[in-house]
Amino acid sequence: DGGITQSPKYLFRKEGQNVTLSCEQNLNHDAMYWYRQDPGQGLRLIYYSQIVNDFQKGDIAEGYSVSREKKESFPLTVTSAQKNPTAFYLCASSKGRTRGTGELFFGEGSRLTVL
Amino acid sequence: DAKTTQPNSMESNEEEPVHLPCNHSTISGTDYIHWYRQLPSQGPEYVIHGLTSNVNNRMASLAIAEDRKSSTLILHRATLRDAAVYYCILRDDTGNQFYFGTGTSLTVIP
Repeated sequence: DGGITQSPKYLFRKEGQNVTLSCEQNLNHDAMYWYRQDPGQGLRLIYYSQIVNDFQKGDIAEGYSVSREKKESFPLTVTSAQKNPTAFYLCASSKGRTRGTGELFFGEGSRLTVL
Repeated sequence: DAKTTQPNSMESNEEEPVHLPCNHSTISGTDYIHWYRQLPSQGPEYVIHGLTSNVNNRMASLAIAEDRKSSTLILHRATLRDAAVYYCILRDDTGNQFYFGTGTSLTVIP
């Protein structure tokens, strides 16, 4: 079945460590996104990518980095510079603004806890 | 950047219609209005979207004001499975970004 796979589902990290969250999609979508969600809050955009080898900062990019070397993969690295990384991270993809409805498809999320 | 505002919470009795409002007074002419819903500890799922005209699908209806500064998601008969946080978002057609609002937490009372 087509969809978005995020891993790991749960991750614990010590302060000062970098951690990379994986996001893979087999929907042949051009655009991919990373969102952060804090308890009781809405989603905030971290980074997005419309095509391979290109990505743009969202509203809260500080302390995060991404890469888009392949169409199907958009990993997110939470660096030690991120002051409050404990959150629920969601990856999404869409066909892009020139194709289809632009509907977002989400993964199941990765919950990161800093100890 | 266009943003949306929604009530924090709403309640509905089971099997009754629910109208979830959303204000987007700074919407641009090319922004699509999307609605998603999210269950606890899950990713959001698409519900419906529209540009200017009212839209219907198997899950819900979307009523868009004539000036496009507000919209309403209509669940025709609420079920317990409809209890979720509903997000009204705008799709930025120039940058392909999706801006999420605060969401409305819908409680369905049996």
